[in-house]
Amino acid sequence: AQSVTQLDSQVPVFEEAPVELRCNYSSSVSVYLFWYVQYPNQGLQLLLKYLSGSTLVKGINGFEAEFNKSQTSFHLRKPSVHISDTAEYFCAVSPAYSGAGSYQLTFGKGTKLSVIP
Amino acid sequence: SAVISQKPSRDICQRGTSLTIQCQVDSQVTMMFWYRQQPGQSLTLIATANQGSEATYESGFVIDKFPISRPNLTFSTLTVSNMSPEDSSIYLCSGGGGDTDTQYFGPGTRLTVL
Repeated sequence: AQSVTQLDSQVPVFEEAPVELRCNYSSSVSVYLFWYVQYPNQGLQLLLKYLSGSTLVKGINGFEAEFNKSQTSFHLRKPSVHISDTAEYFCAVSPAYSGAGSYQLTFGKGTKLSVIP
Repeated sequence: SAVISQKPSRDICQRGTSLTIQCQVDSQVTMMFWYRQQPGQSLTLIATANQGSEATYESGFVIDKFPISRPNLTFSTLTVSNMSPEDSSIYLCSGGGGDTDTQYFGPGTRLTVL
């Protein structure tokens, strides 16, 4: 079984400042890692994913995340946030069996990012 | 990538009634899932929708309350039966595997039970 901990439930940050949203996971098997974003009253949109290879993953909207196996972390970063980044961000894991996308996701509780003008 | 649509997008229902939510994927995926997102909460997996056979339910969810069908690779339905106000949530379907190496989500169905 897997579990995901998002350490911050809410993160306020000023516009154009950098931000880091933290995610730690626990698993007895290798995992795939994902970050999703949910804008108000909308569904989930994939920001980025780590399946294998380079531990630094770049996603949409200028976000990136780094997989750290020894620390079991997958923190999300953006060097300069915009008002439009205000949303809730979910970290998720699935077991790294063959066929990524074929297994259910375990989600963290989410982090609400509020960008202050 | 896969594009997933859901119908209805939202509904307000009376206690004791049932609602069926439809989920359509634009490409063939091997797996489809149904999640529930209660107000202010994260997503919880309800079940895995299996093509042509009974869904696989997670602990705390039962077929009598949440019957699921998946007649083919690109379509699934979730029924919320005998609804109570505690069923007020957003219900999301997702698809993955096959032609896509991740899970993509539909826009969700926002259900309010009075």
